This record gives sequence, C-alpha cells and structure tokens, in this order.
Amino acid sequence: EAQVTQNPRYLITVTGKKLTVTCSQNMNHEYMSWYRQDPGLGLRQIYYSMNVEVTDKGDVPEGYKVSRKEKRNFPLILESPSPNQTSLYFCASSLTGDSNQPQHFGDGTRLSIL
Amino acid sequence: GDSVTQMEGPVTLSEEAFLTINCTYTATGYPSLFWYVQYPGEGLQLLLKATKADDKGSNKGFEATYRKETTSFHLEKGSVQVSDSAVYFCALSLDSNYQLIWGAGTKLIIKP
Repeated sequence: EAQVTQNPRYLITVTGKKLTVTCSQNMNHEYMSWYRQDPGLGLRQIYYSMNVEVTDKGDVPEGYKVSRKEKRNFPLILESPSPNQTSLYFCASSLTGDSNQPQHFGDGTRLSIL
Repeated sequence: GDSVTQMEGPVTLSEEAFLTINCTYTATGYPSLFWYVQYPGEGLQLLLKATKADDKGSNKGFEATYRKETTSFHLEKGSVQVSDSAVYFCALSLDSNYQLIWGAGTKLIIKP
C-alpha cells in the first residue's frame, strides 16, 4: 500500500530535549516536505526537499533541521525544542513536486513541548 | 504576496443540506487551485483540483469551478452526509515554484 509513515504519532517532551520525527514514503517520490498545522493558520511549510541531498527552507524553518540522505526518508529534527513548537506536524511527498501532482500526507505527529 | 482566504468555520449543516465553502485567492501569476480534505485523525488528501480558468474539478459529489474574474474556487456539494464531516483546505500553487499556499481550513460538521 502506498503511504507516508510518520513516527511517533504523539509525543510529549520538555524544553531543550532534542527530538526527531521520522518520515518515510514507499512511492519512490522525489519531493518531500514538512508542514506544521496550527489553529487558524492552516498549514505552513517548514522545509522541503526536491531530491536526495537537496533541501530548502519553507516559510517557517527556524528551530528545525532536516536531512535527505535517502530518497524514502526525510526526518525532522528539533535540536532544542521550545513550547512555541507545540503543534501538529505533517510530512508529505509527491512524485516530483510539480504543482499538478497531488501531495500524499502522513497521518500527522502531535508534539507537545512543555 | 500570494494568499488564500477561506470562510471561517465551523460550518454546521444537517444531512442532505447544500454545502458551499468559500475560497478566494490572491496570486501574481496563474495558479493551480486545490481542495484538500482532512478527516479526523488523518492526514490531508487531495479532493479535487483545477489548473486553469473555467476548469471544474469534481470528486465524491464535490465540485469547484476556477473563476478567474472573481479569483474564487468555492467548494460545493448538493447533498452532504455525516461522513463528509472534516476540515477542508483550499490551496494554490504557482508554476514558478513547488510550494502550496494554504488557506486556514474550514471545519465542516454534518448532523444527522
């Protein structure tokens, strides 16, 4: 089954404790992206990647890191999480990132930073 | 800058009612327009899209027409069901980049 898998689905942690949210897709997609979803703000893009070893900042990259060492994986790293990063996070992928191709989303990761 | 504006929710309707969720956009070029749906506890999934003016996207009984003159892409359905309860996002994409610009989302609640 074609899917985007995020882990963990839920995480409660404390300020300053490094965490990684994993994202994996099994569709051989070149384009992957991370979003955060906050009430009243819709989705805001954090980082995206057009292909292996190619990453770019989205609209809200501060406080986040990503890597794309393999095509299927695109982890989101919070080196020193802060309470304002409490949010619902989504990973997405598409074949090439062309605007006419749909993005496939994971089921989301709800992060709470205390 | 480029942006998408959706009607604020929640929108609450009875089953079999007619649905309209408004979406207007501002864009410097000629965007493609999308509606995504997010069911409770799930990620977003593409509902329908339109890539040029006067195109109509349709899926699962939902429709939206790309109106360049009013810069709108309103989502409609003739008879909603309880299973349509979800959050609906309008989005645009410009050919010049690969980013989607999202509206804030509209929560739809359908009561039996």
